[in-house]
Amino acid sequence: AQSVTQPDARVTVSEGASLQLRCKYSYSGTPYLFWYVQYPRQGLQLLLKYYSGDPVVQGVNGFEAEFSKSNSSFHLRKASVHWSDSAVYFCVLSQGTGSKLSFGKGAKLTVSP
Amino acid sequence: EAAVTQSPRSKVAVTGGKVTLSCHQTNNHDYMYWYRQDTGHGLRLIHYSYVADSTEKGDIPDGYKASRPSQENFSLILELASLSQTAVYFCASSDALGGRDTQYFGPGTRLLVL
Repeated sequence: AQSVTQPDARVTVSEGASLQLRCKYSYSGTPYLFWYVQYPRQGLQLLLKYYSGDPVVQGVNGFEAEFSKSNSSFHLRKASVHWSDSAVYFCVLSQGTGSKLSFGKGAKLTVSP
Repeated sequence: EAAVTQSPRSKVAVTGGKVTLSCHQTNNHDYMYWYRQDTGHGLRLIHYSYVADSTEKGDIPDGYKASRPSQENFSLILELASLSQTAVYFCASSDALGGRDTQYFGPGTRLLVL
């Protein structure tokens, strides 16, 4: 069975600092991987996705993520966070076309001034 | 721009009462979904649909029914609301199920069952 683990439920970083949110997945095949962001009182929005090719994918607002098949990971990074990045971030996995999504539990990011 | 709207945005219901949550999408997507979000958990799929007048069970369908009267509309029905159904409910739509396809989410409905 597929699963997604986000080991850090709450992360606090200072504005301007770098960020890494970790994501580990369990799936024997080649996954489709996503990062979604949920701002307060809003629905989820896509940040970026990976399905093939260059393991480093770029997303919106300066976010990027790196896929590692050997480590079964898809970590999210940003070089310099802004207070507006405060939100909940979800790592999501799909086995492929026709399969439902598996969501991690989310990581709540707080950017302090 | 893709748009998914939900109504109501929040609701207080009594235990044993009937609750209907509505979702409307203007994306022309075939697939629509209902998810439930609980504090400290990711989203869990309740029901989904890929065509009007047909629905499929997701991972946690017990206690919920769904209705897809048209491509644009998808409802979630709690016939006998229970305390454990207090949660935030999200509707989403997409072109296809899974794969590389992006799901577009509505703003959510906060349901409190007393």
